Amino acid sequence: AQSVTQLDSQVPVFEEAPVELRCNYSSSVSVYLFWYVQYPNQGLQLLLKYLSGSTLVKGINGFEAEFNKSQTSFHLRKPSVHISDTAEYFCAVRDTGRRALTFGSGTRLQVQP
Amino acid sequence: GAGVSQSPSNKVTEKGKDVELRCDPISGHTALYWYRQSLGQGLEFLIYFQGNSAPDKSGLPSDRFSAERTGGSVSTLTIQRTQQEDSAVYLCASSKGGGPGETQYFGPGTRLLVL
Repeated sequence: AQSVTQLDSQVPVFEEAPVELRCNYSSSVSVYLFWYVQYPNQGLQLLLKYLSGSTLVKGINGFEAEFNKSQTSFHLRKPSVHISDTAEYFCAVRDTGRRALTFGSGTRLQVQP
Repeated sequence: GAGVSQSPSNKVTEKGKDVELRCDPISGHTALYWYRQSLGQGLEFLIYFQGNSAPDKSGLPSDRFSAERTGGSVSTLTIQRTQQEDSAVYLCASSKGGGPGETQYFGPGTRLLVL
């Protein structure tokens, strides 16, 4: 069985500061990795995904993530956040044998002026 | 184009009643998924459809939960004899159905409150 751990439930940060949201996963098989964002009262929107190839993945809104197989991590980063980045961020994995996504518990990013 | 739509957006019901939640996927998407988002359990997978068939229904929490999909399009999630622990946001997603790394596009959800 696979699982996803998002170590930080809340991350407060000042506007224009860098941020890293941590995600670790466990799985006995190869996985695909995703980051989704959920703005208040909206559905989930894909930020980026890792399928194969380069371990550094760039997504929308200036976000990027790096896949580290040895550490089973897929941390999300942004060099300079904006107020509009305030949202909940979910890391998810899907193994190559299933279609269902397994989500982490989410990290609430609070960008302060 | 239009995204995934769900109805109703909010539903309040009394314990013991049955409810039906509807999902309209993106046109042409053959794969459809239901998830549940609750405070205690986070985001959980419920069921996956490929066309009108459900090859993976492993996430349905009890036999009070059922789902169907007709015409390879609209899906309905039915909860019978609702319980207070069923209160959650029910999310529907769809994808093209073609590849292993495909993106799942989510709807806005139905917020269910069982009194």
